Amino acid sequence: SSELTQDPAVSVALGQTVRITCQGDSLRSYYASWYQQKPGQAPVLVIYGKNNRPSGIPDRFSGSSSGNTASLTITGAQAEDEADYYCNSRDSSGNHRVFGTGTKVTVL
Amino acid sequence: EVQLVESGGGLVQPGGSLRLSCAASGFTFSSYEMNWVRQAPGKGLEWVSYISSSGSTIYYADSVKGRFTISRDNAKNSLYLQMNSLRAEDTAVYYCARDDYGEDDAFDIWGQGTMVTVSS
Repeated sequence: SSELTQDPAVSVALGQTVRITCQGDSLRSYYASWYQQKPGQAPVLVIYGKNNRPSGIPDRFSGSSSGNTASLTITGAQAEDEADYYCNSRDSSGNHRVFGTGTKVTVL
Repeated sequence: EVQLVESGGGLVQPGGSLRLSCAASGFTFSSYEMNWVRQAPGKGLEWVSYISSSGSTIYYADSVKGRFTISRDNAKNSLYLQMNSLRAEDTAVYYCARDDYGEDDAFDIWGQGTMVTVSS
C-alpha cells in the first residue's frame, strides 16, 4: 500500500493564503480528496477530483495537483478554517484507500 | 435530509467481538458504495473497509483483514462491520462514509461516529 505524507502543522494569518500539501506515489495516478475535521466532529469533504467543491463549501478552498503532490489552498483564511485537514486517495493497487497523515491549520 | 447514523460501539475485552451498524436515510442507499473509517484517540484517520453498492466487491485494510467483515442489507438501508479478535489498537471512533462522485471518488457523507474501546 501507499503512504500519503502531509506537514504536521501550518499557520496562517487571518485573511492570508495557506497551501497544504500531500505527497505520495499514487497521486501520479489518482486525484486526492480533502477533508476538514474540527475537534469532536466528523470529517467534512471540502475538495474532490481535479478541483471540485461540494455544495456549501466556500470558494476560498481550492485544489491542485502536480506529479506526486496534491495541494489544498485556502485563499483568505478565516478563523473558522482552523482545523485538521486530511488528504485521501487510492493506493498503488487502486483498491485500497489511504489517508494522509494530517495537517493542523492554525489561523493567527 | 441525507444522514448516516452509526451504533453498536462500546467497551469490549481484547479478543472479543462487536458488531457496528450504520443506518442510512435520505438517499437511495442501494446505489452507493460505502466505507468504514476509524480514528484512534488523538490520531489521524484510517480507512478500514469498502463495499460496493451490491455487496459483491469488498476490500479491507491490511490491519483488519481476516478479523473484520463488512456487509450491507440494502433492503434495510444498513451497513455493518463485524469485528472479531479485537485488539487494543482497534480502539477508535468508527465512522461510516458514503462514496460518491464516480471516478473522482470521495467520502461525501459521514456519520457522527461510534466509539469502540478495547480494554480489559
